Amino acid sequence: DSGVTQTPKHLITATGQRVTLRCSPRSGDLSVYWYQQSLDQGLQFLIQYYNGEERAKGNILERFSAQQFPDLHSELNLSSLELGDSALYFCASSVGGTDEQFFGPGTRLTVL
Amino acid sequence: GENVEQHPSTLSVQEGDSAVIKCTYSDSASNYFPWYKQELGKGPQLIIDIRSNVGEKKDQRIAVTLNKTAKHFSLHITETQPEDSAVYFCAAPKVGDKVIFGPGTSLSVIP
Repeated sequence: DSGVTQTPKHLITATGQRVTLRCSPRSGDLSVYWYQQSLDQGLQFLIQYYNGEERAKGNILERFSAQQFPDLHSELNLSSLELGDSALYFCASSVGGTDEQFFGPGTRLTVL
Repeated sequence: GENVEQHPSTLSVQEGDSAVIKCTYSDSASNYFPWYKQELGKGPQLIIDIRSNVGEKKDQRIAVTLNKTAKHFSLHITETQPEDSAVYFCAAPKVGDKVIFGPGTSLSVIP
């Protein structure tokens, strides 16, 4: 158990819908990262927050947005969902910016 | 921008043999190089990392070597066991920049 929690574990929805994925980092970690992993694909970095502020941005689609709240938990919002958005979404946390990242168990999103 | 290449993409070894996976990166400003192991159905987990002020780091059967001049670092697993079978990812993150992971190496250890 990494100490990072993600909810929900599984999510099935239809095209055009909007979903919210939630992540709680390890106690004491200030950085939260979001990744997308499609079937048999690598880890695609989406976005990083550090202590409530956006720190770095990857190839995150405009339909996707994220935020980190004062209690340091983070949410990833995916809207106007398409079939191609079906993937595993991982959240990770770390103490700072270039430290060991602890990954959560992931949320499996299926768009039908 | 940063680019991380990883080879080989798949690797099959006999139990007890050694496995080596190599990563190359493009940004000379990178100074932290982790290796993650992802087992089926789980999130990646750090197995070893190295910072640019050392050339080699070892932890039991696992070692990482770094060549900053050539901009590559390698994961070495000795005396491989079936439980080493997984996908391995390298990364070269920098503060304030996007995190780029290598494409992954699927390692199979044949009993």
